[in-house]
Amino acid sequence: EDKVVQSPLSLVVHEGDTVTLNCSYEVTNFRSLLWYKQEKKAPTFLFMLTSSGIEKKSGRLSSILDKKELFSILNITATQTGDSAIYLCAVEAKSMLTFGGGTRLMVKP
Amino acid sequence: DSGVTQTPKHLITATGQRVTLRCSPRSGDLSVYWYQQSLDQGLQFLIQYYNGEERAKGNILERFSAQQFPDLHSELNLSSLELGDSALYFCASSPSGKQLSGNTIYFGEGSWLTVV
Repeated sequence: EDKVVQSPLSLVVHEGDTVTLNCSYEVTNFRSLLWYKQEKKAPTFLFMLTSSGIEKKSGRLSSILDKKELFSILNITATQTGDSAIYLCAVEAKSMLTFGGGTRLMVKP
Repeated sequence: DSGVTQTPKHLITATGQRVTLRCSPRSGDLSVYWYQQSLDQGLQFLIQYYNGEERAKGNILERFSAQQFPDLHSELNLSSLELGDSALYFCASSPSGKQLSGNTIYFGEGSWLTVV
Protein backbone atom coordinates (compact mmCIF):
# COMPACT_ATOMS: atom_id res chain seq x y z
CA GLU A 1 0.00 0.00 0.00
CA ASP A 2 1.34 3.42 -0.97
CA LYS A 3 2.21 5.61 1.98
CA VAL A 4 3.08 9.29 2.38
CA VAL A 5 4.10 10.66 5.77
CA GLN A 6 4.57 14.32 6.61
CA SER A 7 6.29 15.87 9.58
CA PRO A 8 5.92 17.75 11.76
CA LEU A 9 2.15 17.54 12.19
CA SER A 10 2.06 21.20 13.11
CA LEU A 11 4.37 24.03 14.01
CA VAL A 12 4.10 27.59 15.20
CA VAL A 13 6.71 30.17 14.23
CA HIS A 14 7.11 33.93 14.23
CA GLU A 15 7.23 36.12 11.18
CA GLY A 16 10.66 36.12 9.63
CA ASP A 17 11.53 32.59 10.70
CA THR A 18 12.54 29.89 8.23
CA VAL A 19 10.70 26.58 8.29
CA THR A 20 11.37 23.18 6.75
CA LEU A 21 8.56 20.74 6.13
CA ASN A 22 9.27 17.08 5.50
CA CYS A 23 7.61 14.46 3.35
CA SER A 24 8.66 10.82 3.09
CA TYR A 25 7.03 8.24 0.89
CA GLU A 26 6.82 4.58 0.00
CA VAL A 27 5.08 4.00 -3.31
CA THR A 28 5.38 1.77 -6.34
CA ASN A 29 5.65 3.24 -9.81
CA PHE A 30 6.58 6.69 -8.55
CA ARG A 31 5.94 9.41 -11.09
CA SER A 32 6.15 12.71 -9.24
CA LEU A 33 5.85 14.41 -5.86
CA LEU A 34 3.68 17.45 -5.41
CA TRP A 35 3.28 20.12 -2.76
CA TYR A 36 0.01 21.93 -2.16
CA LYS A 37 -1.02 24.77 0.12
CA GLN A 38 -4.46 24.55 1.69
CA GLU A 39 -5.71 27.69 3.37
CA LYS A 40 -9.42 27.59 3.86
CA LYS A 41 -10.70 25.17 1.32
CA ALA A 42 -9.30 23.90 -1.97
CA PRO A 43 -5.62 22.91 -2.07
CA THR A 44 -3.62 25.07 -4.44
CA PHE A 45 -0.66 23.73 -6.36
CA LEU A 46 2.85 24.81 -5.34
CA PHE A 47 5.43 22.50 -6.89
CA MET A 48 5.81 19.30 -8.82
CA LEU A 49 9.09 17.42 -8.48
CA THR A 50 10.18 14.55 -10.67
CA SER A 51 13.98 14.53 -10.54
CA SER A 52 16.32 14.19 -7.59
CA GLY A 53 18.47 17.08 -6.51
CA ILE A 54 16.89 19.77 -8.64
CA GLU A 55 15.51 22.57 -6.52
CA LYS A 56 12.25 24.17 -7.50
CA LYS A 57 11.86 27.74 -6.31
CA SER A 58 9.03 30.24 -6.20
CA GLY A 59 9.69 33.39 -4.25
CA ARG A 60 10.35 32.47 -0.64
CA LEU A 61 9.32 28.85 -1.17
CA SER A 62 11.61 26.13 -2.44
CA SER A 63 11.50 22.37 -2.59
CA ILE A 64 13.78 19.49 -3.43
CA LEU A 65 13.35 15.76 -3.94
CA ASP A 66 15.61 12.87 -2.98
CA LYS A 67 14.48 9.78 -4.87
CA LYS A 68 17.14 7.59 -3.31
CA GLU A 69 16.11 8.33 0.27
CA LEU A 70 12.44 8.76 -0.73
CA PHE A 71 11.76 12.14 0.74
CA SER A 72 11.20 15.76 -0.09
CA ILE A 73 11.45 19.00 1.84
CA LEU A 74 9.62 22.26 1.45
CA ASN A 75 11.41 25.35 2.73
CA ILE A 76 9.80 28.66 3.46
CA THR A 77 12.12 31.55 4.27
CA ALA A 78 11.20 34.87 5.90
CA THR A 79 7.77 33.53 6.79
CA GLN A 80 4.76 35.82 6.78
CA THR A 81 1.37 35.49 8.43
CA GLY A 82 -0.07 34.77 4.99
CA ASP A 83 1.96 31.56 4.91
CA SER A 84 -0.28 30.13 7.66
CA ALA A 85 -1.95 27.11 6.11
CA ILE A 86 -1.88 23.35 5.87
CA TYR A 87 0.84 22.15 3.52
CA LEU A 88 0.09 18.89 1.78
CA CYS A 89 2.52 16.57 0.11
CA ALA A 90 1.21 14.11 -2.47
CA VAL A 91 2.86 11.41 -4.53
CA GLU A 92 1.65 10.60 -7.99
CA ALA A 93 1.75 6.94 -8.95
CA LYS A 94 -0.44 4.78 -11.16
CA SER A 95 -2.47 7.83 -12.20
CA MET A 96 -3.46 8.55 -8.60
CA LEU A 97 -2.41 11.02 -5.97
CA THR A 98 -1.70 9.71 -2.47
CA PHE A 99 -1.65 12.50 0.07
CA GLY A 100 0.17 12.79 3.35
CA GLY A 101 -1.59 13.98 6.47
CA GLY A 102 -0.37 17.52 6.06
CA THR A 103 1.63 19.93 8.18
CA ARG A 104 -0.30 22.75 9.81
CA LEU A 105 1.83 25.90 9.87
CA MET A 106 0.89 28.90 11.93
CA VAL A 107 2.95 32.07 11.56
CA LYS A 108 2.50 34.59 14.35
CA PRO A 109 3.14 38.31 13.89
CA ASP B 1 -11.45 30.08 -9.03
CA SER B 2 -10.36 26.63 -10.26
CA GLY B 3 -13.35 26.15 -12.54
CA VAL B 4 -14.48 23.06 -10.61
CA THR B 5 -17.90 23.57 -9.04
CA GLN B 6 -19.18 21.59 -6.10
CA THR B 7 -22.60 21.68 -4.49
CA PRO B 8 -23.76 21.90 -1.82
CA LYS B 9 -21.06 23.80 0.06
CA HIS B 10 -22.34 22.69 3.44
CA LEU B 11 -24.85 20.15 4.60
CA ILE B 12 -25.89 18.72 7.91
CA THR B 13 -27.72 15.45 8.08
CA ALA B 14 -28.58 12.76 10.58
CA THR B 15 -27.03 9.33 10.95
CA GLY B 16 -28.55 6.70 8.71
CA GLN B 17 -29.48 9.18 6.01
CA ARG B 18 -28.27 9.42 2.41
CA VAL B 19 -26.80 12.44 0.64
CA THR B 20 -25.62 13.24 -2.85
CA LEU B 21 -22.71 15.55 -3.59
CA ARG B 22 -22.41 17.03 -7.03
CA CYS B 23 -19.37 18.11 -9.01
CA SER B 24 -19.04 19.91 -12.33
CA PRO B 25 -15.50 19.62 -13.72
CA ARG B 26 -13.59 22.33 -15.55
CA SER B 27 -14.66 22.82 -19.11
CA GLY B 28 -12.94 20.23 -21.26
CA ASP B 29 -11.73 18.04 -18.39
CA LEU B 30 -12.68 14.38 -18.77
CA SER B 31 -11.50 13.03 -15.43
CA VAL B 32 -13.16 13.57 -12.09
CA TYR B 33 -11.63 12.55 -8.77
CA TRP B 34 -13.28 12.40 -5.37
CA TYR B 35 -11.35 12.85 -2.13
CA GLN B 36 -12.34 12.81 1.51
CA GLN B 37 -10.62 14.98 4.07
CA SER B 38 -11.45 14.30 7.70
CA LEU B 39 -10.46 16.65 10.49
CA ASP B 40 -6.69 17.04 10.72
CA GLN B 41 -6.09 14.49 8.03
CA GLY B 42 -4.80 14.60 4.52
CA LEU B 43 -6.90 13.90 1.50
CA GLN B 44 -7.96 10.30 1.03
CA PHE B 45 -8.53 9.28 -2.55
CA LEU B 46 -11.95 7.71 -3.05
CA ILE B 47 -12.57 7.16 -6.75
CA GLN B 48 -11.81 8.42 -10.24
CA TYR B 49 -14.00 8.54 -13.32
CA TYR B 50 -12.78 9.18 -16.84
CA ASN B 51 -15.27 10.04 -19.57
CA GLY B 52 -18.07 8.23 -17.79
CA GLU B 53 -16.16 5.10 -16.83
CA GLU B 54 -14.70 4.20 -13.45
CA ARG B 55 -10.90 4.43 -13.80
CA ALA B 56 -9.46 3.93 -10.34
CA LYS B 57 -10.71 3.11 -6.90
CA GLY B 58 -9.20 4.08 -3.58
CA ASN B 59 -10.42 3.71 -0.03
CA ILE B 60 -14.08 4.08 -0.85
CA LEU B 61 -16.57 2.41 1.48
CA GLU B 62 -19.25 0.11 0.11
CA ARG B 63 -21.84 2.56 1.45
CA PHE B 64 -20.47 5.15 -0.96
CA SER B 65 -20.90 5.14 -4.71
CA ALA B 66 -20.24 7.54 -7.53
CA GLN B 67 -20.99 8.02 -11.17
CA GLN B 68 -20.09 10.33 -14.01
CA PHE B 69 -22.80 11.39 -16.41
CA PRO B 70 -22.63 12.01 -20.19
CA ASP B 71 -22.27 15.74 -19.58
CA LEU B 72 -19.22 14.81 -17.42
CA HIS B 73 -20.60 16.05 -14.13
CA SER B 74 -20.22 13.59 -11.30
CA GLU B 75 -22.16 12.68 -8.19
CA LEU B 76 -20.94 11.02 -5.02
CA ASN B 77 -23.63 9.21 -3.11
CA LEU B 78 -23.13 8.55 0.60
CA SER B 79 -25.64 6.28 2.30
CA SER B 80 -26.30 4.90 5.78
CA LEU B 81 -24.30 7.82 7.07
CA GLU B 82 -22.30 7.51 10.25
CA LEU B 83 -20.79 10.16 12.49
CA GLY B 84 -17.36 9.26 11.16
CA ASP B 85 -18.40 10.23 7.65
CA SER B 86 -18.31 13.89 8.67
CA ALA B 87 -15.64 15.41 6.48
CA LEU B 88 -14.82 17.76 3.65
CA TYR B 89 -15.37 16.06 0.33
CA PHE B 90 -13.35 17.40 -2.58
CA CYS B 91 -13.86 16.91 -6.22
CA ALA B 92 -11.01 17.51 -8.63
CA SER B 93 -10.76 17.36 -12.39
CA SER B 94 -8.03 16.96 -14.95
CA PRO B 95 -7.96 16.88 -18.73
CA SER B 96 -6.90 13.27 -19.09
CA GLY B 97 -7.36 10.05 -17.22
CA LYS B 98 -4.55 8.22 -18.90
CA GLN B 99 -1.67 10.13 -17.46
CA LEU B 100 -2.27 12.18 -14.39
CA SER B 101 0.09 15.09 -14.18
CA GLY B 102 -0.22 16.68 -10.79
CA ASN B 103 0.02 20.27 -11.91
CA THR B 104 -3.02 19.89 -14.14
CA ILE B 105 -5.41 18.64 -11.48
CA TYR B 106 -7.76 21.30 -10.16
CA PHE B 107 -9.71 21.10 -6.93
CA GLY B 108 -13.16 22.40 -6.18
CA GLU B 109 -13.94 24.26 -2.97
CA GLY B 110 -15.30 21.13 -1.32
CA SER B 111 -18.56 20.10 0.30
CA TRP B 112 -18.64 20.13 4.08
CA LEU B 113 -20.68 17.22 5.38
CA THR B 114 -21.63 17.08 9.04
CA VAL B 115 -23.42 13.98 10.28
CA VAL B 116 -25.20 14.43 13.60
